[in-house]
Amino acid sequence: DSGVTQTPKHLITATGQRVTLRCSPRSGDLSVYWYQQSLDQGLQFLIQYYNGEERAKGNILERFSAQQFPDLHSELNLSSLELGDSALYFCASSPLLRTSITDTQYFGPGTRLTVL
Amino acid sequence: GNSVTQMEGPVTLSEEAFLTINCTYTATGYPSLFWYVQYPGEGLQLLLKATKADDKGSNKGFEATYRKETTSFHLEKGSVQVSDSAVYFCALRGGATNKLIFGTGTLLAVQP
Repeated sequence: DSGVTQTPKHLITATGQRVTLRCSPRSGDLSVYWYQQSLDQGLQFLIQYYNGEERAKGNILERFSAQQFPDLHSELNLSSLELGDSALYFCASSPLLRTSITDTQYFGPGTRLTVL
Repeated sequence: GNSVTQMEGPVTLSEEAFLTINCTYTATGYPSLFWYVQYPGEGLQLLLKATKADDKGSNKGFEATYRKETTSFHLEKGSVQVSDSAVYFCALRGGATNKLIFGTGTLLAVQP
């Protein structure tokens, strides 16, 4: 158990809908990362938050947004869903902001999103 | 930009066989290198890491050496078990952000 929790575990929805994925980082970790794992794109970094502020963006679509709340949990919002958004969405957390040789990302179990 | 290339799978081995999963990378500067493992139906777990050239990461009998001259971080294990069956991801972290860049993953299937 990494200490990172994600809910829900599975989500099935229809095209055009909007969903929210939730992540609670490990106790004490200030950085939260979101990754998408799909069959065609592999594992890709989406976005990073640190202590409530967006810090880095990857290949995140404009239909997707995220935020980190004062209690450090994070939500990933996916809207106008398309079939191609079906994927496993991982959250990871780490203690630090900047690259550090001691910093390690710990991953949650993921949320499997199926868009029908 | 930074990238990671892993050998294609699946890799099928008999129990107690020797395992090598190749990983090479392209990066500017001095990235940190990682191996993560994903067991069926689970999330990613950090297996081992190395943060500078010639470092050897090791865990649970697995090991990998950070080779800057060949830009490689190959994963090895001397004797695999059925319980090692999983998908293995090589990843790097470098540059100004902490984001991880992953390889495509290699499925390992160990048969009794």
